[in-house]
Amino acid sequence: AQSVTQLGSHVSVSEGALVLLRCNYSSSVPPYLFWYVQYPNQGLQLLLKYTTGATLVKGINGFEAEFKKSETSFHLTKPSAHMSDAAEYFCAVNTGFQKLVFGTGTRLLVSP
Amino acid sequence: DAGVTQSPTHLIKTRGQQVTLRCSPKSGHDTVSWYQQALGQGPQFIFQYYEEEERQRGNFPDRFSGHQFPNYSSELNVNALLLGDSALYLCASSLVTGAEETQYFGPGTRLLVL
Repeated sequence: AQSVTQLGSHVSVSEGALVLLRCNYSSSVPPYLFWYVQYPNQGLQLLLKYTTGATLVKGINGFEAEFKKSETSFHLTKPSAHMSDAAEYFCAVNTGFQKLVFGTGTRLLVSP
Repeated sequence: DAGVTQSPTHLIKTRGQQVTLRCSPKSGHDTVSWYQQALGQGPQFIFQYYEEEERQRGNFPDRFSGHQFPNYSSELNVNALLLGDSALYLCASSLVTGAEETQYFGPGTRLLVL
């Protein structure tokens, strides 16, 4: 069965610092991987996704992620954090027929 | 272009009652999936509807049922509510074309069971 593991339930950074949120996947077939963001009391918004092709994927709000098959990872990064980036971030893998399996989430805290 | 909409936004029920949640997909989308997100957890897949049929189902009991209408909107029904059913229920819509397709989520319905 396909699954994702998000390391770190909470990540704290200062405004302007690098953001790194970790996600490792387990899949017996080439995975489709997604990062979603959830702001308080809201639904999920897609940040970016990897399907095939280029392994470095750029998303919205300056986020990007790199698919590394050898490390089974799909970590999310942003060079410079902004206060508005504070939210919950979910990594997900598609197990077929668009059924998403989510990680437990990482809460990003940004301090001034 | 309206995105995915859900109603109601909040709901309070008591144990043993039944609840119906509603979802209208993004314009042009034909597939609707439902997820349950307990507090502090990631969303869990409940089931998915396409062409008015349940196409696949997650590990949820039969108390959870659904329906899709000809206009692609969908309902989620939960019978015999338990305290553990308290959660945010998310609806997502997409095109059926492939697994790489993006699912667009609605704002959710927050259900509290007392």
